Amino acid sequence: ETGVTQTPRHLVMGMTNKKSLKCEQHLGHNAMYWYKQSAKKPLELMFVYNFKEQTENNSVPSRFSPECPNSSHLFLHLHTLQPEDSALYLCASSIISNSETQYFGPGTRLLVL
Amino acid sequence: SQQGEEDPQALSIQEGENATMNCSYKTSINNLQWYRQNSGRGLVHLILIRSNEREKHSGRLRVTLDTSKKSSSLLITASRAADTASYFCATDVPPAKGGSEKLVFGKGTKLTVNP
Repeated sequence: ETGVTQTPRHLVMGMTNKKSLKCEQHLGHNAMYWYKQSAKKPLELMFVYNFKEQTENNSVPSRFSPECPNSSHLFLHLHTLQPEDSALYLCASSIISNSETQYFGPGTRLLVL
Repeated sequence: SQQGEEDPQALSIQEGENATMNCSYKTSINNLQWYRQNSGRGLVHLILIRSNEREKHSGRLRVTLDTSKKSSSLLITASRAADTASYFCATDVPPAKGGSEKLVFGKGTKLTVNP
């Protein structure tokens, strides 16, 4: 897990707040991912970045806005979220965006009040 | 639609026993992976098996793949309390036009190993 770090680890926010989740990978990978994990649901892929370019947006609502300034950093900007957005948000990276091994961060536990 | 689905949803065993979890999927794959997740943490990659492989070992883990039945199994031998976690299979999905290959995860099997 130390190869991919996420901050903050826990976040509580109101529906009118704006916050950002940060992910950093120290593995020299070129692909990064955001996933959402809700209770009793499969892991949902949200976004994929490959060499800093977004290559996948899995029909994610616009209140989630990703940013990838370089291959090592990935952000998820949050605004006007809903209580149903409360979940564990996981960042992952891989050498390139294909179906090979992904390395996950510890996640940010988000609670929207 | 969900690609991989694990069975059982939950499994409780005693330390020292073997644990077997199964994964079924729907479409052709290039590879299948198993991941482990401790409660509230990130996923950790355990093993990858390619479509032309039938069995793979890593320490106490043994993974089988039957492409004719579109199924895989993960066997943990001589389980320990520290093996308590959720286990997920992930299968590859071909990219949509302009998109990337991606992994699709199942809902997982929650394994509890009692000391």
